[in-house]
Amino acid sequence: DQQVKQNSPSLSVQEGRISILNCDYTNSMFDYFLWYKKYPAEGPTFLISISSIKDKNEDGRFTVFLNKSAKHLSLHIVPSQPGDSAVYFCAASPYPSNTGKLIFGQGTTLQVKP
Amino acid sequence: GAGVSQSPSNKVTEKGKDVELRCDPISGHTALYWYRQSLGQGLEFLIYFQGNSAPDKSGLPSDRFSAERTGGSVSTLTIQRTQQEDSAVYLCASSYPDRATGYTFGSGTRLTVV
Repeated sequence: DQQVKQNSPSLSVQEGRISILNCDYTNSMFDYFLWYKKYPAEGPTFLISISSIKDKNEDGRFTVFLNKSAKHLSLHIVPSQPGDSAVYFCAASPYPSNTGKLIFGQGTTLQVKP
Repeated sequence: GAGVSQSPSNKVTEKGKDVELRCDPISGHTALYWYRQSLGQGLEFLIYFQGNSAPDKSGLPSDRFSAERTGGSVSTLTIQRTQQEDSAVYLCASSYPDRATGYTFGSGTRLTVV
């Protein structure tokens, strides 16, 4: 039972354009969401997070949007750069939680073409 | 060191043999997690240690898998009688009890069972 789903295994965009990565979840008890980025042969690195009390969080070129009613979140990267090419995982944390385990999606491979 | 250290980085073993994977978390991180990523799959939760609490073992796929965390620091994941389906990248992560910052992952151990 996949509680966190990234339905697009891959995405290709042109440098300078917007990249939009999507994530859906099924468990309404999830109340904290994170995005991780992974390069080959490296561990995932934390990118950005959002609490369920917000609908948007921005950090530089990266913005995460949360639509609780639709159980959907998205990561926007603007402008996209070739160095952004990586696998992106969304993850969710259930309430109540004090760290605890995260539930990850399958990942989306982003390719940004120069 | 400054990051989460995992060893070995690569391990090839024969089916039926036991393997031990090691994780050195970031000093001061009270939480430690093991995940694995099989080919083409997302990150699968295995086990979670938090301070002196009993570990959350709910993700261990079979009784061939076990993990220890000694002295609240180093952790060892042991797989007994390895099977080909155990082949995956095993990732360790650690964190403070503040989920807003997410986990810090190691680079992983790539296990290949032949």
